[in-house]
Amino acid sequence: QKEVEQNSGPLSVPEGAIASLNCTYSDRGSQSFFWYRQYSGKSPELIMFIYSNGDKEDGRFTAQLNKASQYVSLLIRDSQPSDSATYLCAVKYDMRFGAGTRLTVKP
Amino acid sequence: SAVISQKPSRDICQRGTSLTIQCQVDSQVTMMFWYRQQPGQSLTLIATANQGSEATYESGFVIDKFPISRPNLTFSTLTVSNMSPEDSSIYLCSVNEVPSYNEQFFGPGTRLTVL
Repeated sequence: QKEVEQNSGPLSVPEGAIASLNCTYSDRGSQSFFWYRQYSGKSPELIMFIYSNGDKEDGRFTAQLNKASQYVSLLIRDSQPSDSATYLCAVKYDMRFGAGTRLTVKP
Repeated sequence: SAVISQKPSRDICQRGTSLTIQCQVDSQVTMMFWYRQQPGQSLTLIATANQGSEATYESGFVIDKFPISRPNLTFSTLTVSNMSPEDSSIYLCSVNEVPSYNEQFFGPGTRLTVL
């Protein structure tokens, strides 16, 4: 069974801090990885995707991929209260989603 | 990104009835998917809607319970048949765009409550 695992949290960080969200996956053949943000009562929205080992930065968000260790992470710098949401990791081979990590950024 | 709409946005249904959910996209897309998200849970892929052929179902989901149609590259329907309270969930349509087929976008969802 191909699995995507995330710490369900909740994760709480103060405003301005770095929030670190982690995801591990079981299928070594996976090629592409996605982070979605889902506000309560809303549908998921794509934040970032990453295909290659290393870091990919987009504004305050950095995705990190380590295929040897089979994990992908999302760092949110200068966290804002508006970042409070559930973050979902997804792996492309059949677009399976992790359980999601609920992030709360406290003012 | 593609604009995705779903109808209905929500419904309350009686046990044993069926509901058909529509997904409309404003542009042609390569892949369309149907997900379920139960309260407090993550997304579970129900099936991939294939244009012009039968949908591909994930383990635990069957065509008799969740028949799917995809008559063209911009439209799909999911029917939840013979509903029970356990089917109460949010049902989400999702698409891959052409040519960025690796990026997947979601519709607003249909919130279904079965009494």
